[in-house]
Amino acid sequence: AIRMTQSPSSFSASTGDRVTITCRASQGISSYLAWYQQKPGKAPKLLIYAASTLQSGVPSRFSGSGSGTDFTLTISCLQSEDFATYYCQQYYSYPGTFGQGTKVEIK
Amino acid sequence: EVQLVESGGGLVQPGRSLRLSCAASGFTFDDYAMHWVRQAPGKGLEWVSGISWNSGSIGYADSVKGRFTISRDNAKNSLYLQMNSLRAEDTALYYCAKDIRGGGPPWEYFDYWGQGTLVTVSS
Repeated sequence: AIRMTQSPSSFSASTGDRVTITCRASQGISSYLAWYQQKPGKAPKLLIYAASTLQSGVPSRFSGSGSGTDFTLTISCLQSEDFATYYCQQYYSYPGTFGQGTKVEIK
Repeated sequence: EVQLVESGGGLVQPGRSLRLSCAASGFTFDDYAMHWVRQAPGKGLEWVSGISWNSGSIGYADSVKGRFTISRDNAKNSLYLQMNSLRAEDTALYYCAKDIRGGGPPWEYFDYWGQGTLVTVSS
């Protein structure tokens, strides 16, 4: 199975900051990558698919980039509601696999 | 509005069985593949099993293969997970998730998730 590694595992940031989360695949996955946001006690929510396509209804401050093995999720101006854990998922090959998650905490 | 509502979780002893259900509404259920994804307490997400729209393609994570069985009833807009020979490491919140397409593996990503049902395996 393809291994997905996110970095960092957690970090603190302030409202208004620009933040970037990295996801690396153990082998090339083209652009078959999705990003999810999960808030405490809630189900994951799809943010981005195909590495850079924003899911309908997701604020434009979220963006994704990358292809092959290296991907990033960027939040251009962190809002209070963005403090959450973020997961990447590859769907290039079976079984689809998730990264271990990146928790964004309030500084 | 798409809704996925899981049920059937609970406390069960190691080695016993449990059957989870997921009731779907708000979309044409038999057009889409469906999945179970779990999350152990304080841990990340783990795909467990998936089933294509017509049950023609089914897949399992290695960690549950031979013990869990996924099924669906399109007439009832429902997804199921029969879990046998449960182990402590199966303790998790189990989510039902909708695929964006209907076919078999490799599956795609998940655009809707239920709120989950908690399975606790303990003596």
